[in-house]
Amino acid sequence: GAVVSQHPSRVICKSGTSVKIECRSLDFQATTMFWYRQFPKQSLMLMATSNEGSKATYEQGVEKDKFLINHASLTLSTLTVTSAHPEDSSFYICSAIRSGGAHEQYFGPGTRLTVT
Amino acid sequence: AQKITQTQPGMFVQEKEAVTLDCTYDTSDQSYGLFWYKQPSSGEMIFLIYQGSYDEQNATEGRYSLNFQKARKSANLVISASQLGDSAMYFCAMRPRMDSNYQLIWGAGTKLIIKP
Repeated sequence: GAVVSQHPSRVICKSGTSVKIECRSLDFQATTMFWYRQFPKQSLMLMATSNEGSKATYEQGVEKDKFLINHASLTLSTLTVTSAHPEDSSFYICSAIRSGGAHEQYFGPGTRLTVT
Repeated sequence: AQKITQTQPGMFVQEKEAVTLDCTYDTSDQSYGLFWYKQPSSGEMIFLIYQGSYDEQNATEGRYSLNFQKARKSANLVISASQLGDSAMYFCAMRPRMDSNYQLIWGAGTKLIIKP
C-alpha cells in the first residue's frame, strides 16, 4: 500500500508554455500533499503544501502565480508551471501524507521537466 | 534553529558489510519524528524507517535499524549485510512538533556506493 503516482515522468516544453504535473495517491486518501523541487546532487526543496479543498501554502521565495497548485480531491494534486522558462528546468517530486501512524510522506517517482 | 546534519557526502562500502550513515539533528521541541529515505538513481524517494522522539526502543525494519541517541541528538541509520541494490542517496529528515503540518526538514544526503 501507500503508492503515489506522478505524471508525466518526463516532459519537454518550450519557453513560455505551461505544463501540468499530476500527483495521485493510488490506494489511500491524502488530505495533505507536498510539492518539492530538487536540483542535481542536492536535497529536496519544499515548494508548497497542498491541502484538499483549500489554497496551497507556498514557501518563501516560491511564486504562487507561477507554480499553480490545485488539490481538488483527496487523491489528486496538480502543479502547473506557467510561462515556463529554462531556469524552471528541474526534477519535481510530490509526496502525500497517509493518515494514521507516523504520518510519513510517501513520494511519487518524480517528474523531470526540461524547458527549451 | 531546526536543522538536520549529514556529515558524510559519500561513502564506499564493500558488499555484505554493515553500513552506518550519520545524522544529527537540532531542535528545541520535545516531540518530533525522525525519518530516513532512500533515493536511487531513478529519483523516487523511498521511505525506510521512522523513529519517534518518545520511542524508547530503536526502530527496526528488516535490514534497516535506527540508532537513536536522544541525548546526543543523533539518529544514525544502520544497514546490515549491505547489497549492491543499496547504492543510492540516503536522506535523513525530521518533523519537528508532532502537531505540525507534517513538513519535514531535510539533511543534505549521503551518497552510498556498495562495491562488489
